Amino acid sequence: GAGVSQSPSNKVTEKGKDVELRCDPISGHTALYWYRQRLGQGLEFLIYFQGNSAPDKSGLPSDRFSAERTGESVSTLTIQRTQQEDSAVYLCASSETQGIQYFGPGTRLLVL
Amino acid sequence: KQEVTQIPAALSVPEGENLVLNCSFTDSAIYNLQWFRQDPGKGLTSLLLIQSSQREQTSGRLNASLDKSSGRSTLYIAASQPGDSATYLCAVRLGGSNYKLTFGKGTLLTVNP
Repeated sequence: GAGVSQSPSNKVTEKGKDVELRCDPISGHTALYWYRQRLGQGLEFLIYFQGNSAPDKSGLPSDRFSAERTGESVSTLTIQRTQQEDSAVYLCASSETQGIQYFGPGTRLLVL
Repeated sequence: KQEVTQIPAALSVPEGENLVLNCSFTDSAIYNLQWFRQDPGKGLTSLLLIQSSQREQTSGRLNASLDKSSGRSTLYIAASQPGDSATYLCAVRLGGSNYKLTFGKGTLLTVNP
């Protein structure tokens, strides 16, 4: 596809469950980013992947959050033992090395 | 820590008006500044990117300016249209190898027909 895609578009889960969010970056983009947007807040950086380098995980809010990326393609963000404060829109972006970041439509997560 | 503030939080104007959205940032050592548009359910669309060495960028009815020394940027929208209704986000990227974007909370713009 031409842009960044994310799935699912919406996810409702119960507190304590694990969830997995997926991001398909633009083909050829070496960099991939995850951000979180909570209601009424600005986007918060979560994690960054660049090629085969070690990811920058400095934005992950707790050890319940983890992310993986296979080569320069798909990435998954996993939230374990979800809490209500995890409810947010999770946005993925990709770019050429340090280029303009192109965003996907996001996954809207609601933890009941 | 870089902080980005956008004023106003919301703005409602009649169609045809020219308008200005404001963005300020606390750390002037930025690499670039980017304005995005966010539509519900559609993610973010990049509108304009200004490198730290530039003073302004233009695209159609949009003009973004950057005053790095004072930590300010403005997005000017000429002859606003109802289709311009969206949330406008400002994001800065610090210099060096720092690739993270720091976002403001956005300005919700409503253009009334």
